[in-house]
Amino acid sequence: EDQVTQSPEALRLQEGESSSLNCSYTVSGLRGLFWYRQDPGKGPEFLFTLYSAGEEKEKERLKATLTKKESFLHITAPKPEDSATYLCAVQVGTGFQKLVFGTGTRLLVSP
Amino acid sequence: GAGVSQSPSNKVTEKGKDVELRCDPISGHTALYWYRQSLGQGLEFLIYFQGNSAPDKSGLPSDRFSAERTGGSVSTLTIQRTQQEDSAVYLCASSLATQAEQYFGPGTRLTVT
Repeated sequence: EDQVTQSPEALRLQEGESSSLNCSYTVSGLRGLFWYRQDPGKGPEFLFTLYSAGEEKEKERLKATLTKKESFLHITAPKPEDSATYLCAVQVGTGFQKLVFGTGTRLLVSP
Repeated sequence: GAGVSQSPSNKVTEKGKDVELRCDPISGHTALYWYRQSLGQGLEFLIYFQGNSAPDKSGLPSDRFSAERTGGSVSTLTIQRTQQEDSAVYLCASSLATQAEQYFGPGTRLTVT
C-alpha cells in the first residue's frame, strides 16, 4: 500500500531559526512528489514538484530536496508568515494524477 | 486569473439529509479532483474527472456518494442520507491534463448534526 509519513507532526521555531521537515514514502512507482502549504481555513497552496532523486527546487526561504526514499523541505531563516501546515504528497499510478497525502507538519514561527 | 472556487463555504445539515457541493475549476483545466480532509487526517482522494468522465471512482467511501461534471467545467459532489462520519472539509482541485500540479479551492466545511 502506498504510504506517506511526515515528521515532525508539529514544529515550533524562533524567527531566523532554520530547520527541516521530513517526508518519507513507500510507493510502487513514484511519478512525482509535491509540497503544498495550507493555512487555516484554506485549501492547499502548491509549492514544489520533484520528479527524480537528487532534484532540488527553491522558492524564497524554502528549498525542497528528494532522495529515493524521502524528501526534505528546508526552511532558512523563517519568518512568522511562514507559519502554516506543510503537506507532502506523492503521485502514484499511471494514466492520471492521484495524489496520496501525508498528514502534514504544523509549523509555528515565533517573532 | 480566477482560481478554483467552491460553494457553499460552510454547510450544516441534519443526519439523513442530502447535500450538494459545487466546484468551479480554473478555466481551461480539463482534470478535476475531489478530496476529503478530516480532522487530524491527510487528504483522502475521492474521485477524478477527465473532461466529463470519471475514470476512477475508487475513493468514494460508499454508494451514498456520487459526483458528476457537466460541460467539462462545473462539478457537483452529492452525499445522500448524510451521516455524522461524513463531517469533513471537502476540497476540489483542478489541473491541466498535461501537467501534474493540482490547484485547490478553499473547500466546503460540512457538518452533519
